[in-house]
Amino acid sequence: AQKITQTQPGMFVQEKEAVTLDCTYDTSDQSYGLFWYKQPSSGEMIFLIYQGSYDEQNATEGRYSLNFQKARKSANLVISASQLGDSAMYFCAMRGPGANNLFFGTGTRLTVIP
Amino acid sequence: DSGVTQTPKHLITATGQRVTLRCSPRSGDLSVYWYQQSLDQGLQFLIQYYNGEERAKGNILERFSAQQFPDLHSELNLSSLELGDSALYFCASSGQTGYYGYTFGSGTRLTVV
Repeated sequence: AQKITQTQPGMFVQEKEAVTLDCTYDTSDQSYGLFWYKQPSSGEMIFLIYQGSYDEQNATEGRYSLNFQKARKSANLVISASQLGDSAMYFCAMRGPGANNLFFGTGTRLTVIP
Repeated sequence: DSGVTQTPKHLITATGQRVTLRCSPRSGDLSVYWYQQSLDQGLQFLIQYYNGEERAKGNILERFSAQQFPDLHSELNLSSLELGDSALYFCASSGQTGYYGYTFGSGTRLTVV
């Protein structure tokens, strides 16, 4: 069975600082994909970044990077130079091989302080 | 605009009623997924359709059903509604593999009173 764990219900970060949101996963599959989504207060789910289990380099998308540590089964999201607009819920999700849906963690609410 | 269109955005209905939520996937995407987001259950996968056929089922109640039409839009039907069905219902679409293209709509917020 697949499981995603986000242990930080809430995080605070000063504007312009970097922040790391934790995500650990559990799977016995060798091939899987890891995703991060942002959900602002307006409710929509916004795709941020993807990491494949066979990707040797950490994924980056602008200010977002994914710190992928396969042996530890962690896929932490790093947001650099935080902005006020980064305040939102952040969800880590995983898709396994042969499965077509995403399993989501419980999310982390990030608040950026001016 | 993500390219995935969900209607309506908000829906308020009474217990025992039936509602239909609609989703138009992003152009070119064949797969449609339905998710339910509630405070106590988080984001739960309900069901997936691929090119008109049911492909995977998650924690979908028997009172709920879905279908995907030839033009690839999908509808989620919720019947005999209960207070606990109040939630944000998301539709997402993807291409064949889904590894890169899970695009979510803005959701339908259902309130059952």
